[in-house]
Amino acid sequence: VQLVESGGALVQPGRSLRLSCAASGFTFRSYSMNWVRQAPGKGLEWVSYIRSTSSAIYYADSVKGRFTISRDNAKNSLYLQMNSLRAEDTAVYYCVRDLPMNAFDIWGQGTMVTVSS
Amino acid sequence: QSVLTQPPSVSAAPGQKVSISCSGSSSNIGNNYVSWYQQLPGTAPKLLIYENNRRLSGIPDRFSGSKSGTSATLGITGLQTGDEADYYCATWDSSLSVGVFGGGTKLTVL
Repeated sequence: VQLVESGGALVQPGRSLRLSCAASGFTFRSYSMNWVRQAPGKGLEWVSYIRSTSSAIYYADSVKGRFTISRDNAKNSLYLQMNSLRAEDTAVYYCVRDLPMNAFDIWGQGTMVTVSS
Repeated sequence: QSVLTQPPSVSAAPGQKVSISCSGSSSNIGNNYVSWYQQLPGTAPKLLIYENNRRLSGIPDRFSGSKSGTSATLGITGLQTGDEADYYCATWDSSLSVGVFGGGTKLTVL
């Protein structure tokens, strides 16, 4: 069971970036997924959730209107499209599998996003 | 400012017991399950406890979870130096429709 994120980079404020997460070792289409981030030296912050069928999507207020979560169950992949990036979006972004009842049981290794001019 | 409140740090000697609290409200802890995570330095978080008090397979029974009203507690007995880490609680906030984490607690095993 594994989640591998990619796409992190150094970007300028106001630009866009797309993160990807490749899932393996489990039936991806059966699980809801999340993105969770952690700014340098700070705590964990939940970013977004998507149900297994994409029928429900939620966002943290801090990213609502700027970030879009999506998935492709045929490709076992999760995505996070990040637009209008700000310095405060600088963080390690984790792809996380969702257990029912508010738990995150499988975490990727994270991908670093740095927003700076 | 986190929706869930945890003490910034706790400490205890090896072999001792420690409790880490997580305080919320009726819209989050009060009406949803709580989970707990351990984050060792430089690594991704790891799920320890889910559904308030259920240990993930492979987690030692030295780790326990409980919930009462709008607060939850992680207990660790028989402390080991390898338990030094940051610990986070998490749940869902039904009013805000968002996931929420506590601010994290740094455990030091003296």
